[in-house]
Amino acid sequence: TQLLEQSPQFLSIQEGENLTVYCNSSSVFSSLQWYRQEPGEGPVLLVTVVTGGEVKKLKRLTFQFGDARKDSSLHITAAQPGDTGLYLCARGGGATNKLIFGTGTLLAVQP
Amino acid sequence: GAVVSQHPSRVICKSGTSVKIECRSLDFQATTMFWYRQFPKKSLMLMATSNEGSKATYEQGVEKDKFLINHASLTLSTLTVTSAHPEDSSFYICSAANRKAWDTQYFGPGTRLTVL
Repeated sequence: TQLLEQSPQFLSIQEGENLTVYCNSSSVFSSLQWYRQEPGEGPVLLVTVVTGGEVKKLKRLTFQFGDARKDSSLHITAAQPGDTGLYLCARGGGATNKLIFGTGTLLAVQP
Repeated sequence: GAVVSQHPSRVICKSGTSVKIECRSLDFQATTMFWYRQFPKKSLMLMATSNEGSKATYEQGVEKDKFLINHASLTLSTLTVTSAHPEDSSFYICSAANRKAWDTQYFGPGTRLTVL
């Protein structure tokens, strides 16, 4: 069962445009991670956010953790074709050591 | 970050045969390894968690007799898909952690399995 809902599911934009991907849950979580996965490869960790309201920047990517720690967003400024991929949020599975992934957002940036 | 490898990267097999996929942590000791399955353009679904030297813990709905997992050493875990069927075709990804913390997993590059 997916506990993290991502939106949009698919996104196709032109190079240079901005976009935001959302990750939402009905329950509070202590921290959250964002990954990017390219076709035929494993996911690569982008960032971990742990504090409600926290904002982290990674070049053109801005990650925000909601104040209530139930949601997170990823904003990409001036998207480039190299940003194309599947973006996944993920959280820990409560008392277990499992990683639970969101439903995913497939981004395509057209040159 | 730590390096995790998978072998083979791609495999094609006939229905009814068994296929073994290896997951290796190359530069650290992985006390816990995870196996995921991923369908095209979809998210990762956890199949099982294996701790070195003990039996794997399978997620609900995953057949343990179908997907055999062995974690015999701190650097190697294997997933064997037994009596493979076309519906087992998928992208299988492993991850490794050197402590029992979900936020320290390092992912392998994945194995594409195609069952004819």
